[in-house]
Amino acid sequence: GQNIDQPTEMTATEGAIVQINCTYQTSGFNGLFWYQQHAGEAPTFLSYNVLDGLEEKGRFSSFLSRSKGYSYLLLKELQMKDSASYLCAVNPPTDSWGKLQFGAGTQVVVTP
Amino acid sequence: ETGVTQSPTHLIKTRGQQVTLRCSSQSGHNTVSWYQQALGQGPQFIFQYYREEENGRGNFPPRFSGLQFPNYSSELNVNALELDDSALYLCASSLRELNTIYFGEGSWLTVV
Repeated sequence: GQNIDQPTEMTATEGAIVQINCTYQTSGFNGLFWYQQHAGEAPTFLSYNVLDGLEEKGRFSSFLSRSKGYSYLLLKELQMKDSASYLCAVNPPTDSWGKLQFGAGTQVVVTP
Repeated sequence: ETGVTQSPTHLIKTRGQQVTLRCSSQSGHNTVSWYQQALGQGPQFIFQYYREEENGRGNFPPRFSGLQFPNYSSELNVNALELDDSALYLCASSLRELNTIYFGEGSWLTVV
């Protein structure tokens, strides 16, 4: 199985940068997803990392280190609309592809 | 817009009743997974369907069952509803070759 840990809540001011860490202990691994979820809505895909390194998409970047079982999501130039829960999800090995194991989510609060 | 649609959006059922939730996957996506998300938690994997066959199941009892149809749409059925079944039920549509997993808007189930 998977044990996936991420902080419960983070607060930052508008325009700042926030880094959300995710650590996982895995019996198999085939990539890691990050999703954004606003209250009462479905998760929205942000990124998928399967190789080590940094992937940048506009204001959002995601990093993966497979040897350390570690990923982070970096949110730059924070906007009020970025207030949401951010979910880290591990994708199991190939024969279990798509059966995501989620962390509990990190609630990001952006203040003026 | 993910192209994944779920119905109904909200529903209220009485303990002991049965419920059917529906999901239309994104065009061409042959894999559908169902998740249960309790308030304040990350989604929990229920089961996955691939080309009309169940392809893996999480830690949920047999009263949670499903179907996938030739057009890849899917149903989740829950029998003998319990109060703890109150949650957001999410359908995720994916195509392994594209490394993408998209969620529908979810069905909010309240059991009273």
